[in-house]
Amino acid sequence: KAGVTQTPRYLIKTRGQQVTLSCSPISGHRSVSWYQQTPGQGLQFLFEYFSETQRNKGNFPGRFSGRQFSNSRSEMNVSTLELGDSALYLCASSFGGGTNYGYTFGSGTRLTVV
Amino acid sequence: AQTVTQSQPEMSVQEAETVTLSCTYDTSESNYYLFWYKQPPSRQMILVIRQEAYKQQNATENRFSVNFQKAAKSFSLKISDSQLGDTAMYFCAFMKFNRDDKIIFGKGTRLHILP
Repeated sequence: KAGVTQTPRYLIKTRGQQVTLSCSPISGHRSVSWYQQTPGQGLQFLFEYFSETQRNKGNFPGRFSGRQFSNSRSEMNVSTLELGDSALYLCASSFGGGTNYGYTFGSGTRLTVV
Repeated sequence: AQTVTQSQPEMSVQEAETVTLSCTYDTSESNYYLFWYKQPPSRQMILVIRQEAYKQQNATENRFSVNFQKAAKSFSLKISDSQLGDTAMYFCAFMKFNRDDKIIFGKGTRLHILP
């Protein structure tokens, strides 16, 4: 079966712009989580969506937002980009939640802000 | 708050040797999950092994095994007969026993398997 698909794979944006990243979960998975990975801070949880509802949120500013569609595909948006937003953004999907079902990660979107 | 600490930023071993990656964590929870994830250059985070805190038996997956010491809050990963394909970043991770909670990752250990 197809894995978790993240698009685009690479992205270069200018400070002040906004960006939208996409994540298509494994078919049948209803939970999608987003993580930011940087060399300095490591992997940090952004938010989790389950059946189109945000179920959990990390400690990020309001510039970071997300949504989930009825087909479980998820998007995250970052507005007013800052240089520090340069990172690998990873998406993970699960059938109902990671504890019982485990998470499957995508290969990420590498965002560079210049 | 939960924290996960990996004290070895980088390690190198010869192919076919055994290597152990260290991880300690801090939590006040009694039930939780611990994981080791592998991130090769392809960037995808791959689950290597998972341990439920309520299980005393250490988890094993082929060449990968863990030494789980709950009282010491220690969770090390042993890779036996290491292979070139094991070269990757390895992350120790924690999750509370709650289906909608987040994964907390350590900073990672970069492992090089030398031919």
